[in-house]
Amino acid sequence: ETGVTQSPTHLIKTRGQQVTLRCSSQSGHNTVSWYQQALGQGPQFIFQYYREEENGRGNFPPRFSGLQFPNYSSELNVNALELDDSALYLCASSSDRSNQPQHFGDGTRLSIL
Amino acid sequence: EDQVTQSPEALRLQEGESSSLNCSYTVSGLRGLFWYRQDPGKGPEFLFTLYSAGEEKEKERLKATLTKKESFLHITAPKPEDSATYLCATIQGAQKLVFGQGTRLTINP
Repeated sequence: ETGVTQSPTHLIKTRGQQVTLRCSSQSGHNTVSWYQQALGQGPQFIFQYYREEENGRGNFPPRFSGLQFPNYSSELNVNALELDDSALYLCASSSDRSNQPQHFGDGTRLSIL
Repeated sequence: EDQVTQSPEALRLQEGESSSLNCSYTVSGLRGLFWYRQDPGKGPEFLFTLYSAGEEKEKERLKATLTKKESFLHITAPKPEDSATYLCATIQGAQKLVFGQGTRLTINP
């Protein structure tokens, strides 16, 4: 069984730039959620995709956007990067929208200079 | 909105010294309480799901329990490899996880 994979593992950008992060969900999973984790904090929910539709969003501005593809992989796009966007971005997949556990990738470490 | 609070923020134990981590939550209609382990530079690794008060789950040296207001992660005779940050989370809405800030556990040999 293939787990959740994310790319790239590390990324350095400057303020104002745009970034795209990628996630391949675990085999058999059709729901993908994205989280932002600042250093020393728990992950914060950004949004979730189920069958290519956004299925819930956290308190993040519209410059955070996403996509899910027919093979259930997903992208997180962030425009107009700010210094506070520096964080670990985690992708999690699960089997459906119910209360089943979400399984996480190892994240993308994004640093904004 | 749901709130999840973990204590202590950090805990340092000697190898073999058992202890418990606390996760307090306020949620209307708990649909699931999750425990994860996170190693430095890695994503959270799923440990347990608890669905109702009184439920217990065990895995090796770890046991998770649940009441109506809190969950405990008991660690029995820990080893240095148990050192990690332990996160708990509840489900809100469709499938949004609300996490606590985590407990950073260090086991000294």
